[in-house]
Amino acid sequence: GENVEQHPSTLSVQEGDSAVIKCTYSDSASNYFPWYKQELGKGPQLIIDIRSNVGEKKDQRIAVTLNKTAKHFSLHITETQPEDSAVYFCAASTEGNFNKFYFGSGTKLNVKP
Amino acid sequence: NAGVTQTPKFQVLKTGQSMTLQCAQDMNHNSMYWYRQDPGMGLRLIYYSASEGTTDKGEVPNGYNVSRLNKREFSLRLESAAPSQTSVYFCASSVSSGGSYEQYFGPGTRLTVT
Repeated sequence: GENVEQHPSTLSVQEGDSAVIKCTYSDSASNYFPWYKQELGKGPQLIIDIRSNVGEKKDQRIAVTLNKTAKHFSLHITETQPEDSAVYFCAASTEGNFNKFYFGSGTKLNVKP
Repeated sequence: NAGVTQTPKFQVLKTGQSMTLQCAQDMNHNSMYWYRQDPGMGLRLIYYSASEGTTDKGEVPNGYNVSRLNKREFSLRLESAAPSQTSVYFCASSVSSGGSYEQYFGPGTRLTVT
């Protein structure tokens, strides 16, 4: 099965700085990569996703990049704000087998004011 | 829309007791899922239901059973709870068609087995 590794497990940045979270996956058939944000006491919520036919996707201050050859993808948050503090999860899935998401272990991001 | 709702929010069980975690969604989604979340291990899929009337095992199904009662409801049962099942349990749902794969999560149930 798929194995998704996520780094770092914790990340502390100053408000206004950028944050980068990296994930690698093992199954070359994976072609859908969502990122979820989980605030304290809540369920995860989708913030951005990318499919394997695209190398980069942006949505305001967040962006995701994908390198299919190296089997890794990254989340970039620019101009971080205190409300970005949360746990972030990456996941990998195969469209057609879309019911199964394989999640990374999570990154706790702390944005210091 | 309430989205995905889960009951109860918290539960403490003794080893060997049984319980059912309830999940319902009001988004007319086809697929529903049960995950467990443990520190440092992300979310692991226990069972899923691709559509009403079908269920399949995920990564960690041992010790659990599920029922897709109808399109809205998907329950998770622990027949004989063990301390290793202490975790936070999340239910999720998705449309799973038309190119949309986003999973919507409920608020979770925190279960402690003593």
